[in-house]
Amino acid sequence: LAKTTQPISMDSYEGQEVNITCSHNNIATNDYITWYQQFPSQGPRFIIQGYKTKVTNEVASLFIPADRKSSTLSLPRVSLSDTAVYYCLVGDSGSARQLTFGSGTQLTVLP
Amino acid sequence: DVKVTQSSRYLVKRTGEKVFLECVQDMDHENMFWYRQDPGLGLRLIYFSYDVKMKEKGDIPEGYSVSREKKERFSLILESASTNQTSMYLCASSPGTSNQPQHFGDGTRLSIL
Repeated sequence: LAKTTQPISMDSYEGQEVNITCSHNNIATNDYITWYQQFPSQGPRFIIQGYKTKVTNEVASLFIPADRKSSTLSLPRVSLSDTAVYYCLVGDSGSARQLTFGSGTQLTVLP
Repeated sequence: DVKVTQSSRYLVKRTGEKVFLECVQDMDHENMFWYRQDPGLGLRLIYFSYDVKMKEKGDIPEGYSVSREKKERFSLILESASTNQTSMYLCASSPGTSNQPQHFGDGTRLSIL
């Protein structure tokens, strides 16, 4: 199983760009990298997914280096409402036994 | 919009009781999952199912069983609840094709007294 490591917590200020890195040294060839956001008393919500290089959508970017042993979630110009726990997930949901969630990063956005 | 519904937001049971947690999805997804979430440990997979009547153990199946009699419904069963099963339980579903994101319910906070 690909073990993932994330920082436990991060603080930022409104309007700044935030980068959260996840390490996954044992990622397998078929594994994708998926990031979720979770607010208190809610289930995680999908943010972005990628396999290699860079992926961008309307809320975030995901950077994956060539060796795929880490990935970085980038949130541009964060606001107070981005305060949440962010999870990195490595694996293939078609073979769920390979799914490994990180322990999550608590992002706190300050005014 | 995609919807995963867990039957209870909060549940309090006693040690030794048989506990059923229900999850229903309306997206015709093949895969369904049960996780538990504990402070500092993130999400840990208990069981998953990739089809009706099919199930596979996740990382922490001990003390739990599951049932999937219909495609849209996935039940988690605590055969004899114990205090160390007090936790937040999250259900998720995803399409059967590879690498599709999971859709989560809002969780059931279960307390075993």
